[in-house]
Amino acid sequence: KAGVTQTPRYLIKTRGQQVTLSCSPISGHRSVSWYQQTPGQGLQFLFEYFSETQRNKGNFPGRFSGRQFSNSRSEMNVSTLELGDSALYLCASSLEAGSRRNTIYFGEGSWLTVV
Amino acid sequence: DAKTTQPNSMESNEEEPVHLPCNHSTISGTDYIHWYRQLPSQGPEYVIHGLTSNVNNRMASLAIAEDRKSSTLILHRATLRDAAVYYCIFQTGANNLFFGTGTRLTVIP
Repeated sequence: KAGVTQTPRYLIKTRGQQVTLSCSPISGHRSVSWYQQTPGQGLQFLFEYFSETQRNKGNFPGRFSGRQFSNSRSEMNVSTLELGDSALYLCASSLEAGSRRNTIYFGEGSWLTVV
Repeated sequence: DAKTTQPNSMESNEEEPVHLPCNHSTISGTDYIHWYRQLPSQGPEYVIHGLTSNVNNRMASLAIAEDRKSSTLILHRATLRDAAVYYCIFQTGANNLFFGTGTRLTVIP
């Protein structure tokens, strides 16, 4: 069974531009969440989607947004990029939302560099 | 935040057992304890999870204290491939996991 797939794996953008990252969850998984990882802040939760609805949102500015499609695939968008947005963006999927037994599976991540 | 406390780093000799501790004093009675590890340049990888009793799988064992305020991840024979950052997390039911700084495990050949 294929794991969580993220595209692109690496990208470089210029300050002020916007970027869209894509995530395909494990087949059958309906919950998708996104995390940002930087050396200074570590792994931080961005948002979670389930059945095309955002369930939870972390403490990030409105420049960070996401959506989920009917096939559970998800995208996240960052507008007006800043140098500090350079990070590894991780997508994770799980079967369902709201379960304490949920095992969450992560993708390899998308490395974003803002110059 | 659902916070856990772990040592910043630990070392182990190859082929020896490793015990990675975690304190989670604010855990509620229904939160599951999950362990993930992250190898360099990869996403976090699920290792094991449990609620009250000790758990085993092919990767590791999880020993949970009777009061559930702490747990220990046990790697029975450390290999060089086990060198990673290990995160202890408790799953509150929302998928917004709080990772903390984790424990960086160094395996010495």
